[in-house]
Amino acid sequence: GDSVTQMEGPVTLSEEAFLTINCTYTATGYPSLFWYVQYPGEGLQLLLKATKADDKGSNKGFEATYRKETTSFHLEKGSVQVSDSAVYFCALLNAGGTSYGKLTFGQGTILTVHP
Amino acid sequence: SQTIHQWPATLVQPVGSPLSLECTVEGTSNPNLYWYRQAAGRGLQLLFYSVGIGQISSEVPQNLSASRPQDRQFILSSKKLLLSDSGFYLCAWSAKGNTIYFGEGSWLTVV
Repeated sequence: GDSVTQMEGPVTLSEEAFLTINCTYTATGYPSLFWYVQYPGEGLQLLLKATKADDKGSNKGFEATYRKETTSFHLEKGSVQVSDSAVYFCALLNAGGTSYGKLTFGQGTILTVHP
Repeated sequence: SQTIHQWPATLVQPVGSPLSLECTVEGTSNPNLYWYRQAAGRGLQLLFYSVGIGQISSEVPQNLSASRPQDRQFILSSKKLLLSDSGFYLCAWSAKGNTIYFGEGSWLTVV
């Protein structure tokens, strides 16, 4: 079945540092890939997505590129802020030709950014 | 634009009591609807999904049930809560086969 493997955390950075959170996946067909962010005590928010190979999703300074050859979707940000402290989830959506899609999540990576 | 709301945001219930969490979506029609649970350790587990009124699929056998009485309404229920039902419950919606969007979540503590 489908699976997503995320970089183990927690990740602790100083403000303005460069961020990379690794994500690799295993799936049949052509899944869509997502990064969701969860701030403390809140639900999940869609951060960015990519629906086909070589697509780059970007939002709020974060970006990730859908790499089919390495089955990866690593999240990057050039300069993190304290407000980026949250849990980040990589996920894939494999509708498999059906009318519904079920997300497969990675285990989540806790990011803490210090001033 | 589409919005999703779920309530209550938090609740504390005794073991053996019933549960009802409600979720509604606005600004779309015939959405797919989902219930997820996030237990300690951050993992997200799909509990139920629905592709239409009255159509419910269960992913994990458990003490919970779901219903969809109206197109944009999704309800998570239990007749008798267990301690292990504690967690953070998330409702979500999507257009058919498309990006899934989550609600604000409901914290359930069973005591």
